[in-house]
Amino acid sequence: AQTVTQSQPEMSVQEAETVTLSCTYDTSESNYYLFWYKQPPSRQMILVIRQEAYKQQNATENRFSVNFQKAAKSFSLKISDSQLGDTAMYFCAFRPRSNFGNEKLTFGTGTRLTIIP
Amino acid sequence: EAGVAQSPRYKIIEKRQSVAFWCNPISGHATLYWYQQILGQGPKLLIQFQNNGVVDDSQLPKDRFSAERLKGVDSTLKIQPAKLEDSAVYLCASSPRGGLATQETQYFGPGTRLLVL
Repeated sequence: AQTVTQSQPEMSVQEAETVTLSCTYDTSESNYYLFWYKQPPSRQMILVIRQEAYKQQNATENRFSVNFQKAAKSFSLKISDSQLGDTAMYFCAFRPRSNFGNEKLTFGTGTRLTIIP
Repeated sequence: EAGVAQSPRYKIIEKRQSVAFWCNPISGHATLYWYQQILGQGPKLLIQFQNNGVVDDSQLPKDRFSAERLKGVDSTLKIQPAKLEDSAVYLCASSPRGGLATQETQYFGPGTRLLVL
């Protein structure tokens, strides 16, 4: 079974600063996907960024980037030039790469990020 | 492209009553998921459908929860009878089926917030 750990329940940062959210995971799978999802107060879960484990290059999406350390089983999210709209719960999630249909996401407990004006 | 639709958005019931939630996935998405998100926790998978067949329902409390996806499109999740601990947000998600990375992403609906009194 897979586990995902987010050790920072809450974080806050000043607008325009950079913040890094931590995530570690445990798995025996060799091929998998990692995700960061954002859940604003309206509660709709939105995909922020995705990383395929077989790719060595870290994924980037505009102001969002990840630091993927496969050997250490670490997957942190960096938000640059933070904006008020980045205020939300952030969930790290894992799923094995399966061709047989079992595509269950395992989520961490989340980090509540507040951007301070 | 229309997103995942869910209804109702909010529901308040008394314990031992029954309740049903509805989900319409993104058009063309073969896989549909129901997650339960208890306050302060990450979502937990209840059931996964591939078209109209069940792939994983290992964490569904089958004595009180049931779900169906009869025509392989929309789905209904039912709780009967409800308990206090069922108070949570019920999230529906969908994904296409396939091996490409972009097809492994799950897209979430706005959720139904259930309060059991």
